[in-house]
Amino acid sequence: DSGVTQTPKHLITATGQRVTLRCSPRSGDLSVYWYQQSLDQGLQFLIQYYNGEERAKGNILERFSAQQFPDLHSELNLSSLELGDSALYFCASSGGTGETQYFGPGTRLLVL
Amino acid sequence: GENVGLHLPTLSVQEGDNSIINCAYSNSASDYFIWYKQESGKGPQFIIDIRSNMDKRQGQRVTVLLNKTVKHLSLQIAATQPGDSAVYFCAENINQAGTALIFGKGTTLSVSS
Repeated sequence: DSGVTQTPKHLITATGQRVTLRCSPRSGDLSVYWYQQSLDQGLQFLIQYYNGEERAKGNILERFSAQQFPDLHSELNLSSLELGDSALYFCASSGGTGETQYFGPGTRLLVL
Repeated sequence: GENVGLHLPTLSVQEGDNSIINCAYSNSASDYFIWYKQESGKGPQFIIDIRSNMDKRQGQRVTVLLNKTVKHLSLQIAATQPGDSAVYFCAENINQAGTALIFGKGTTLSVSS
C-alpha cells in the first residue's frame, strides 16, 4: 500500500458525459501528479500540482482539467468524454518536486 | 518518439533464476531514473531509483545499473520468485525540476515454478 488513495476504483459512463476522479496523496506529500495509462499509449503524464498550484503540464487534453485543494487532495475532471478516453487514470504523490513518486491504485474509466 | 524504452517486451524465467530487465533512454539531460513494478489491476509500485551521479544501487534482491555512456539502465532481480511476475517499467525525469516522469513501454516478466 503506497498511501495514495483514489476513488472511485471503477467508473462506467457514456460519451459526452463528465466525470471527476479523486486522489488523496500520502500524508505530508505536497505534489500530486496525474497519469493516464492506455494500451496503445502506455503511461502518460498529464499534469502536476504542488501545494495547490499547477507546476507542470504534459499531454493533457483541453477537455481535461485538474485542481488541488487546500487539504492537498486533488481532482481530475474529464468532460465531453470520448470512447478513446477509456483508460486507467493514476494519481501519484511525492514530498516535493524531483522526489520519488508513489502511485495510487488507479481509477479504471470505461466510456461507452 | 519515446525518451525511454525497453529492449524486450517479455521475459520468461524459471523460479530461482536471476532476471535482467533492460532499458535504453535517449535524453542525456535526464538525471533521475526509477524502476516500477505493476501487477495486474494495481498501480505502479516503486522498486528502486538511481541518480545520474551513481552507476549502481542495490536494494533487497534488486540492483539497478546505470551506464550513462551508452544511456542504458538495467534492473537485476536475484533469485526470481513467482511473486515477481509483473510488468516492469523504467522511467526518467524529463527536466531539471524533476517533475513529470517519462515511462517506457514496459517488460512483462513471467516466472514459472
